[in-house]
Amino acid sequence: NAGVMQNPRHLVRRRGQEARLRCSPMKGHSHVYWYRQLPEEGLKFMVYLQKENIIDESGMPKERFSAEFPKEGPSILRIQQVVRGDSAAYFCASSPFGGSDTGELFFGEGSRLTVL
Amino acid sequence: GENVEQHPSTLSVQEGDSAVIKCTYSDSASNYFPWYKQELGKRPQLIIDIRSNVGEKKDQRIAVTLNKTAKHFSLHITETQPEDSAVYFCAAGRSGTYKYIFGTGTRLKVLA
Repeated sequence: NAGVMQNPRHLVRRRGQEARLRCSPMKGHSHVYWYRQLPEEGLKFMVYLQKENIIDESGMPKERFSAEFPKEGPSILRIQQVVRGDSAAYFCASSPFGGSDTGELFFGEGSRLTVL
Repeated sequence: GENVEQHPSTLSVQEGDSAVIKCTYSDSASNYFPWYKQELGKRPQLIIDIRSNVGEKKDQRIAVTLNKTAKHFSLHITETQPEDSAVYFCAAGRSGTYKYIFGTGTRLKVLA
């Protein structure tokens, strides 16, 4: 059973370009979460999605950031017009449970975005 | 807003000694407290968790204690080994939400 798969692992963009990060949850998991980790900091919640639904995006910046989890295919975190402050590691996690329960989040290896 | 404070930020111990990492949370409704280990460049992985109906939980060399009154929980690693070297994150969550609030991490270095 493959774990949470994220790609690309490393992404370099120039200011103003777009970044797309992809995440395939573990088999059997229908809940996906995106977290951002700035250097020397903890993980900050960004968004929680189920298939075709954004359940909670309260941690997402209001502008330039969007996320989706289509019926088919991976979850996508999209950052438009990137700025240097977007440089971070973006971790996707999945779980078999939803918002009514708590338990282990299974993280991917992360996508490290560098904005030049 | 909700917050989790974690101390210390860095910790060096001799191999075989014990290590203790402490966290304090602000949301009194929190009832789930996981600990994640993140090796350099790798994914965070759950090592142990505790729920608010339990005061202590142990798994081999790792133990976690919870003091709900003080809103404080701690990770204890005994007989540390070099492979324990990593960054450890505490987190707090509550039923009905999935927005775990993570601490800022403790970089543990076990010296051989």
